[in-house]
Amino acid sequence: QQQVKQSPQSLIVQKGGISIINCAYENTAFDYFPWYQQFPGKGPALLIAIRPDVSEKKEGRFTISFNKSAKQFSLHIMDSQPGDSATYFCAASDYGQNFVFGPGTRLSVLP
Amino acid sequence: ETGVTQSPTHLIKTRGQQVTLRCSSQSGHNTVSWYQQALGQGPQFIFQYYREEENGRGNFPPRFSGLQFPNYSSELNVNALELDDSALYLCASSRMSGAANEQFFGPGTRLTVL
Repeated sequence: QQQVKQSPQSLIVQKGGISIINCAYENTAFDYFPWYQQFPGKGPALLIAIRPDVSEKKEGRFTISFNKSAKQFSLHIMDSQPGDSATYFCAASDYGQNFVFGPGTRLSVLP
Repeated sequence: ETGVTQSPTHLIKTRGQQVTLRCSSQSGHNTVSWYQQALGQGPQFIFQYYREEENGRGNFPPRFSGLQFPNYSSELNVNALELDDSALYLCASSRMSGAANEQFFGPGTRLTVL
């Protein structure tokens, strides 16, 4: 019930394309859903986050879509750039405690 | 770059030894969480400290313990090291506000157990 599933495991996108990563959860107590970007040798960096009272949040080229009834959320990266090549993690948290992370998606954006 | 710092950057220990990792939280943050990230996997929650008390714990044995100090910095201690403890240990700081809070990660400490 604490697990967060993430797909795909890896993703290759052409420069300028749209990258889409999907996550699913089971625990309905989760109330905060962040996405993190991690480069090799670095700690995860917060990209964007959403709460379950909204269905979509957009910040620049990054958009989270949230489907509360399906218990699914996704990250869309518009106009993907080679600099976006990194590992992306979705996560879920209940009241700021006990963050559960997905297994990650390795994104490669080809020039 | 976040304001979260961790030390040391890298550490090599042998099985059975003990290790202490340190984390300084971002200014204005009062909560520190520790994570273990094995190679190619997502971070796994170890525990969280708020106001110097443990405020939640993941599925890790008691040989993983921690402290938080009055200045909100924190230590992670691991006793009786095992080979499977080799991982990147991440510290994240946040400000407990009663609602969902943003966590900011440090660069991590790479622990290798031989």
